[in-house]
Amino acid sequence: EAGVAQSPRYKIIEKRQSVAFWCNPISGHATLYWYQQILGQGPKLLIQFQNNGVVDDSQLPKDRFSAERLKGVDSTLKIQPAKLEDSAVYLCASSLLSWGETQYFGPGTRLLVL
Amino acid sequence: RKEVEQDPGPFNVPEGATVAFNCTYSNSASQSFFWYRQDCRKEPKLLMSVYSSGNEDGRFTAQLNRASQYISLLIRDSKLSDSATYLCVVRHNTDKLIFGTGTRLQVFP
Repeated sequence: EAGVAQSPRYKIIEKRQSVAFWCNPISGHATLYWYQQILGQGPKLLIQFQNNGVVDDSQLPKDRFSAERLKGVDSTLKIQPAKLEDSAVYLCASSLLSWGETQYFGPGTRLLVL
Repeated sequence: RKEVEQDPGPFNVPEGATVAFNCTYSNSASQSFFWYRQDCRKEPKLLMSVYSSGNEDGRFTAQLNRASQYISLLIRDSKLSDSATYLCVVRHNTDKLIFGTGTRLQVFP
């Protein structure tokens, strides 16, 4: 079974630029999550989708971050404009349903903002 | 105060040693508990769930004390391949996962 796919794997941008990340969850998984993992910290949930609806985006900095999952399958996360403190690994995860299911993580996109 | 607290380590132990990690959580409404493993520059992967009765998977034993809001992971007979960061994770009743900062383990020959 194919895992969660993410691209790009690495991205270097200058502050104030825009960047977008893509995630394709495991086939059939209804729930998709975006996490931000800053060096030395655990992952922090940014947004959770159930199919194409948002379940939780309480920790998403909505002035600069946006995410969509238009057809309920793959998803994009965008940062516009980027700040130095956005340097982190952005992890996408998916689970079959929502409640009580194991979340499977993709390899992440490592972002460096200069 | 962080919602999930762990000692960041690193724990440096020789092969064959027994090592224990502890974790505390602040939200008494937390529903379920896990240990995830994260290798350097890799994604987190579920190691094991943690149940009130305690559970064991080979060399790994996890325990939960709800009264003290405390979770532990014991690794017996450490292997070089156990070197990784171990993340304590709590699930809310909203299904949200809250991760600790992780405890780094380095097993040396």
